[in-house]
Amino acid sequence: SQKIEQNSEALNIQEGKTATLTCNYTNYSPAYLQWYRQDPGRGPVFLLLIRENEKEKRKERLKVTFDTTLKQSLFHITASQPADSATYLCALGNYGQNFVFGPGTRLSVLP
Amino acid sequence: DARVTQTPRDKVTEMGQEVTMRCQPILGHNTVFWYRQTMMQGLELLAYFRNRAPLDDSGMPKDRFSAEMPDATLATLKIQPSEPRDSAVYFCASKAGGSYNEQFFGPGTRLTVL
Repeated sequence: SQKIEQNSEALNIQEGKTATLTCNYTNYSPAYLQWYRQDPGRGPVFLLLIRENEKEKRKERLKVTFDTTLKQSLFHITASQPADSATYLCALGNYGQNFVFGPGTRLSVLP
Repeated sequence: DARVTQTPRDKVTEMGQEVTMRCQPILGHNTVFWYRQTMMQGLELLAYFRNRAPLDDSGMPKDRFSAEMPDATLATLKIQPSEPRDSAVYFCASKAGGSYNEQFFGPGTRLTVL
């Protein structure tokens, strides 16, 4: 069955450092991968999309990589700030297959 | 600005009661999703609709859950009878046509079944 893993349930880093979150998947052939941010008591909010034929995408302090050979995506937040503290979810999609979310990683950026 | 709305925001009910959750997708979005989120299972897809037609409800317990879209501005998720294990946050999301488009999530309905 399809399985998505995200590196750890929780990640603590110091303000100003780069946070790196990992998303690994098995038994799925995604055409694209999305990253979402979820704050407590709220619904997920879309951040970035990367397609299977793209290696890297950037948006301001965010960078996403996608390696379909390793079946892995890395999500980086550079110059992290306490306001970046949230749960980050990766999600896989493909035509004809259900859209699937990972379990999420709770990021805490410490001042 | 356009957003997905859900009602009620919180619902506490007793086991065996019927629960109906409502969602208003963003105007013009043709795909609507229902998700359930718990600490143990994370975010699970229950069902989704495209152009009001149900495309997949394989994630939904069929015996007690039902999802409908009576019109393009309303999606409903009903649980009858409810059980304590149904306690979770239920999210509705919508997106415009096109596989790659992002999903816009509502604020969720927190359901507690006693």
